[in-house]
Amino acid sequence: DAGITQSPRHKVTETGTPVTLRCHQTENHRYMYWYRQDPGHGLRLIHYSYGVKDTDKGEVSDGYSVSRSKTEDFLLTLESATSSQTSVYFCAIRRAGELFFGEGSRLTVL
Amino acid sequence: DAKTTQPTSMDCAEGRAANLPCNHSTISGNEYVYWYRQIHSQGPQYIIHGLKNNETNEMASLIITEDRKSSTLILPHATLRDTAVYYCIPQPNAGGTSYGKLTFGQGTILTVHP
Repeated sequence: DAGITQSPRHKVTETGTPVTLRCHQTENHRYMYWYRQDPGHGLRLIHYSYGVKDTDKGEVSDGYSVSRSKTEDFLLTLESATSSQTSVYFCAIRRAGELFFGEGSRLTVL
Repeated sequence: DAKTTQPTSMDCAEGRAANLPCNHSTISGNEYVYWYRQIHSQGPQYIIHGLKNNETNEMASLIITEDRKSSTLILPHATLRDTAVYYCIPQPNAGGTSYGKLTFGQGTILTVHP
């Protein structure tokens, strides 16, 4: 257990509403990641962070923003959710080279 | 970034060895080969990694070719619980411009049959 908590674990929202997913770690690791997973697409990197206020884009960053104001929290925000953002979102930390994943957040946008 | 090629799917009989290949012909000298697996709807789980020597741990063995262009993950005695998607990912293990960005390919769906 790498001390990663994602919240909320499940969320249903409507198109056009803002949504924020939170990833919390207890181990003070520098690198944190957000991925999404959809049938037929595998895991795709959205954004990642390499320190407080240091973030970079991944493969599918359009429509998403992130923030990291303290080491332990990495927030993923959908400013205006769309149905195409219905997915399972995984957060990960990097510890000694290895990625450790949270349990996932299932988001449904109606 | 190095790209990988893995079979889309493989089958294996329970109790037999599962050999999962990965081609990473453009791997850089400072990139390790990492393997992860994802059991249905869970987050991916680290299995093993290596640079150029073969590696073994309690979960699996990793065979890397001498030219480092390909590797094989071996599950010596597959069980039904090994049914999962297996990902092979080159990762640099030191700082650098590519250190942070870690992307997954499609992986191999391994199905273990009774």
